[in-house]
Amino acid sequence: NAGVTQTPKFRVLKTGQSMTLLCAQDMNHEYMYWYRQDPGMGLRLIHYSVGEGTTAKGEVPDGYNVSRLKKQNFLLGLESAAPSQTSVYFCASSTRTSSREQFFGPGTRLTVL
Amino acid sequence: AQSVTQLGSHVSVSEGALVLLRCNYSSSVPPYLFWYVQYPNQGLQLLLKYTSAATLVKGINGFEAEFKKSETSFHLTKPSAHMSDAAEYFCAVSGTDSSYKLIFGSGTRLLVRP
Repeated sequence: NAGVTQTPKFRVLKTGQSMTLLCAQDMNHEYMYWYRQDPGMGLRLIHYSVGEGTTAKGEVPDGYNVSRLKKQNFLLGLESAAPSQTSVYFCASSTRTSSREQFFGPGTRLTVL
Repeated sequence: AQSVTQLGSHVSVSEGALVLLRCNYSSSVPPYLFWYVQYPNQGLQLLLKYTSAATLVKGINGFEAEFKKSETSFHLTKPSAHMSDAAEYFCAVSGTDSSYKLIFGSGTRLLVRP
């Protein structure tokens, strides 16, 4: 089992460019989440999904979009990147039988110039 | 609304000394509580979790935490720090809503001095 994987690991964008971050899990988990981590602020929830074809906004959704067309994948899109989106992005997944434990990917470090 | 407060953004201890990382939560329902550890340039790894089965929870690497409802606390301890414990530690809370969302504290960086 690979668990939760994230692609890419690093990316540098210019302001206004777009990109998509891919999260994949092979644990057949129902729930998936995207967080951003900034110094001194812990992890903040961007968007989440409770099942294939469903998504919902988290704490800091502005400037991001998501899609969950397949159960195992959760995509995070930035349509027009801004320097304020420079961050480390983590994907996580969970299942109804896991006592709410979330399993995390290794992260994507994004820099927007 | 749920929230988590971690007192102390940095904690420094000597190798072999007691580790105490503080976490207080706010929740209107019986919470699920978690401690995660993040080593440099890695993702988060679960240390331990409280799910109402027992108030004293043992985790990996010799860590444990005690759930105290009267104090709304879930402090993390380890009797003897090791150099390999140097990392950032996050406390998180989840309520009973169907999304299984976690609310994280701001984190505590543990420094272990030789």
